[in-house]
Amino acid sequence: AQSVTQLGSHVSVSEGALVLLRCNYSSSVPPYLFWYVQYPNQGLQLLLKYTTGATLVKGINGFEAEFKKSETSFHLTKPSAHMSDAAEYFCAVSDLTGTASKLTFGTGTRLQVTL
Amino acid sequence: DAGVIQSPRHEVTEMGQEVTLRCKPISGHNSLFWYRQTMMRGLELLIYFNNNVPIDDSGMPEDRFSAKMPNASFSTLKIQPSEPRDSAVYFCASSFNVGGNTEAFFGQGTRLTVV
Repeated sequence: AQSVTQLGSHVSVSEGALVLLRCNYSSSVPPYLFWYVQYPNQGLQLLLKYTTGATLVKGINGFEAEFKKSETSFHLTKPSAHMSDAAEYFCAVSDLTGTASKLTFGTGTRLQVTL
Repeated sequence: DAGVIQSPRHEVTEMGQEVTLRCKPISGHNSLFWYRQTMMRGLELLIYFNNNVPIDDSGMPEDRFSAKMPNASFSTLKIQPSEPRDSAVYFCASSFNVGGNTEAFFGQGTRLTVV
């Protein structure tokens, strides 16, 4: 079965600093990878996804992630953090069973942005 | 589209009572997922359906939990009898499931408190 590991349950950055949230995956087949964001008292919202093709994927709110097969990684980055980026971020991999698939999520990383 | 609609948003019930959570997926989506989120265990997949058929219910914690999807536009998650340890936020998500490309759209969640 596919799985993801998110390193660091809490990350704190200063406003304007680089954001780097780490995700490593385990998959026996070419993976479909996702990053979701969850704001307080909200559901999860898709930030970006990798399916096939270009390995650098751009998402909403200035986030991007790069699929690196050799490193089995899909780290999320943003050049300059904003206070509004404070949220919990989840990496997920698609786990295909027959013709249907489910998302397996990591444990999440809570991003804190300080002044 | 209004997105995935869950009801109620909040539910407070006494231990031993039956609880029913409801979900209306996005029209046209063929997969529906029920997740549970707690501080201790993070985001757990309870069960998912594809074309109204349960595919994987291995995440359902015990026989007190049951889920149904009588048609493509409605699903319920029932807990009978409820216990305090069932207190959590329950999310429903839906997707148009094509191979492994499972971009799931989440509802706002139901916050369940069992006292």
